Amino acid sequence: NAGVTQTPKFQVLKTGQSMTLQCAQDMNHNSMYWYRQDPGMGLRLIYYSASEGTTDKGEVPNGYNVSRLNKREFSLRLESAAPSQTSVYFCASSEGLRQGGWNTEAFFGQGTRLTVV
Amino acid sequence: GENVEQHPSTLSVQEGDSAVIKCTYSDSASNYFPWYKQELGKRPQLIIDIRSNVGEKKDQRIAVTLNKTAKHFSLHITETQPEDSAVYFCAADPPAGKSTFGDGTTLTVKP
Repeated sequence: NAGVTQTPKFQVLKTGQSMTLQCAQDMNHNSMYWYRQDPGMGLRLIYYSASEGTTDKGEVPNGYNVSRLNKREFSLRLESAAPSQTSVYFCASSEGLRQGGWNTEAFFGQGTRLTVV
Repeated sequence: GENVEQHPSTLSVQEGDSAVIKCTYSDSASNYFPWYKQELGKRPQLIIDIRSNVGEKKDQRIAVTLNKTAKHFSLHITETQPEDSAVYFCAADPPAGKSTFGDGTTLTVKP
């Protein structure tokens, strides 16, 4: 039982390049989330998906797009990377009984450390 | 939306002492309050949570208290050990909004 798996673990991009972060969960959870973590700022929600086929903006969505490919997979895309997007990105999932909220434990992937130069 | 403030941002204690981290929240309708521990370079993991119909919950050396009237909740760690050193995040889950994390507390337990 792998839980939440995200790839890649590390990535260096040049300004203006694009990339997609992949996330998959095997817990049959309804809701999935993308967070970014910056020093001293905790975890900030970028986008979330309350159920298959739906996505919604979080606190810091600018510069990102997401796709809920199916119930298992939720990807995050940076179309034109900027140095301000240098961060650690975490995918998470939960049973998510209601829109935008966990309602119960959220399980996190191992994180992607992204550097934009 | 929900706003969560967490204090202190850093906390240093001697091994064996207790540690207390406090959080306040703004949405009185929030009804689920988890605490996550994140070790250096690792993912956040749930250590304890409490729902709004309960005032206190314990799990071995860890306890969480909730004061709904004052809209604050606290994490208590007793008999601290070096392996308790980590960043701890509180969070609040409102019924009609997005779940929100505090900014984290870096706990250092000195041997």
